Amino acid sequence: DAEITQSPRHKITETGRQVTLACHQTWNHNNMFWYRQDLGHGLRLIHYSYGVQDTNKGEVSDGYSVSRSNTEDLPLTLESAASSQTSVYFCASRASGDNEQFFGPGTRLTVL
Amino acid sequence: GENVEQHPSTLSVQEGDSAVIKCTYSDSASNYFPWYKQELGKGPQLIIDIRSNVGEKKDQRIAVTLNKTAKHFSLHITETQPEDSAVYFCAASMRAGSYQLTFGKGTKLSVIP
Repeated sequence: DAEITQSPRHKITETGRQVTLACHQTWNHNNMFWYRQDLGHGLRLIHYSYGVQDTNKGEVSDGYSVSRSNTEDLPLTLESAASSQTSVYFCASRASGDNEQFFGPGTRLTVL
Repeated sequence: GENVEQHPSTLSVQEGDSAVIKCTYSDSASNYFPWYKQELGKGPQLIIDIRSNVGEKKDQRIAVTLNKTAKHFSLHITETQPEDSAVYFCAASMRAGSYQLTFGKGTKLSVIP
């Protein structure tokens, strides 16, 4: 079955380290998104991509970057992790012309 | 940009009663309003959505209503069951035709058996 996966599911890192979170979908969706979820803030958009080589900043993009070299993957990189980036991160994908965003299971990141 | 307010933040109901969650949005150009359910430890899952050319939509025990003039929309769950316990998020498209969504802060619904 087609799906969207995230790895790792849990990660603990130290302040200043570079961290990359993986997102992989097998639906061949053009549109992919990264959100962070924090208590009291709901889901906030970090970056999104409408296709290969396309990336765009979302509401809370500072300190994060993404790259889209193929349709299936949109890795999220924290260039220099900060404690304020401790959060649960969700990846989502959506087919062009469709409404529904399908979410991955999430990655819980702790920055010490 | 778009701003979505969601109320209440927590809601407890007895099994079998109805639950209502309300959201308001700021951008009159928004035209798509989904509702997501998030169970503990999982990603959000779409349960129902509505477009701006429709006032109400039902799917079994779940319904969504939209008032474009007042810029608010609501989720109604009837005959609640313990498995309805979860966090519910409303969202709005940031502008007409956009794939981006702005989410409310969520409502934790607890259904008491």
